[in-house]
Amino acid sequence: DAGVIQSPRHEVTEMGQEVTLRCKPISGHDYLFWYRQTMMRGLELLIYFNNNVPIDDSGMPEDRFSAKMPNASFSTLKIQPSEPRDSAVYFCASSFRGQSYEQYFGPGTRLTVT
Amino acid sequence: QQQVKQSPQSLIVQKGGISIINCAYENTAFDYFPWYQQFPGKGPALLIAIRPDVSEKKEGRFTISFNKSAKQFSLHIMDSQPGDSATYFCAASLKGSGGSNYKLTFGKGTLLTVNP
Repeated sequence: DAGVIQSPRHEVTEMGQEVTLRCKPISGHDYLFWYRQTMMRGLELLIYFNNNVPIDDSGMPEDRFSAKMPNASFSTLKIQPSEPRDSAVYFCASSFRGQSYEQYFGPGTRLTVT
Repeated sequence: QQQVKQSPQSLIVQKGGISIINCAYENTAFDYFPWYQQFPGKGPALLIAIRPDVSEKKEGRFTISFNKSAKQFSLHIMDSQPGDSATYFCAASLKGSGGSNYKLTFGKGTLLTVNP
């Protein structure tokens, strides 16, 4: 298994631009999570999906952030418009219901907003 | 109440020594406590986990000690090796909707450096 795949690995954009981060979970996993990691705030859960349905988006910082999961093998996290304070590493993780405590993380996308 | 407080922020240990990382929580609804290990440029990976009805769990050189009354738990790495150098996160799990545990609250992390 290739593990959780994220793209791009690095993204540099200017303030005000739209940014789309992509994630392919492990095949067969029915839970998908989006996290943001910064030095100041550590790892924060933004949103998670179960069977492609958003379950809890209470961690999404504001309306500029949106996430979708159109099918079991693909999810996006979009920031529009982006701001410098959005600079962080964004992780996607997936898990299988039977092993719900073990989340498999992707390599992350390092986002820099200038 | 959602926080998990982790200490120390960083830790330097000599090869062969014992590394100890501590975490504390307030929310008694937490019912699963995993530790994740993260190497530079990688995502976190599950290392070891414990339920609150167990006071200790050992896997190889890694041991979790759990004190339910004090609401504290710790990771001990015995015979620490340079390859153990990484950031370690404690976490606590709450039941999400549907009654299953999916939401993880992470500590801020501890950067462990093991000198050769």
